[in-house]
Amino acid sequence: DVKVTQSSRYLVKRTGEKVFLECVQDMDHENMFWYRQDPGLGLRLIYFSYDVKMKEKGDIPEGYSVSREKKERFSLILESASTNQTSMYLCASSLRSLTDTQYFGPGTRLTVL
Amino acid sequence: GESVGLHLPTLSVQEGDNSIINCAYSNSASDYFIWYKQESGKGPQFIIDIRSNMDKRQGQRVTVLLNKTVKHLSLQIAATQPGDSAVYFCAAAWGSSYKLIFGSGTRLLVRP
Repeated sequence: DVKVTQSSRYLVKRTGEKVFLECVQDMDHENMFWYRQDPGLGLRLIYFSYDVKMKEKGDIPEGYSVSREKKERFSLILESASTNQTSMYLCASSLRSLTDTQYFGPGTRLTVL
Repeated sequence: GESVGLHLPTLSVQEGDNSIINCAYSNSASDYFIWYKQESGKGPQFIIDIRSNMDKRQGQRVTVLLNKTVKHLSLQIAATQPGDSAVYFCAAAWGSSYKLIFGSGTRLLVRP
């Protein structure tokens, strides 16, 4: 079974703080993705990575950056958290082709005060 | 732009009945479709997928039907159980694009 884990289930941060969200997958998947999920807006892609040290912007990259130093780990960074970044953050991974099935982690609910 | 939409935000069914959740997509070039189930407080869980060279695919208690003519797909759940209560998302992709376009989700409520 594919296992995608995220470092925190719930996180509360203050405006202006730097926030790190970590995601790890144990199935040697090439591709990893970060989404945010908001009521009425569905899942929106922030960034994805198709290889170590490689990254591509998704639909809403503003205010975020990512890091992929190792194949199994993909980090999402909020350089200076703002209240409009309060959301559920979901990490996903897929095997090789970018159209392979994406498997999701449990999510991190981030609240920025 | 491309969109994927579900027809009903909420669907309520009696335990034991069959459930049908519908989804429409706008991009006729879409060739890969996937259904996810998301339980409260959890990430989306893969249920079943289908490629555009097929009209129907069956899994365990679930069937996905694809009608490319009207750009519509549906998820059928047989003998719905309380554990099926969740939000169901469809998503579409096309060609070599990495991007899955997600619908907004239908919440399935199962009445005892």
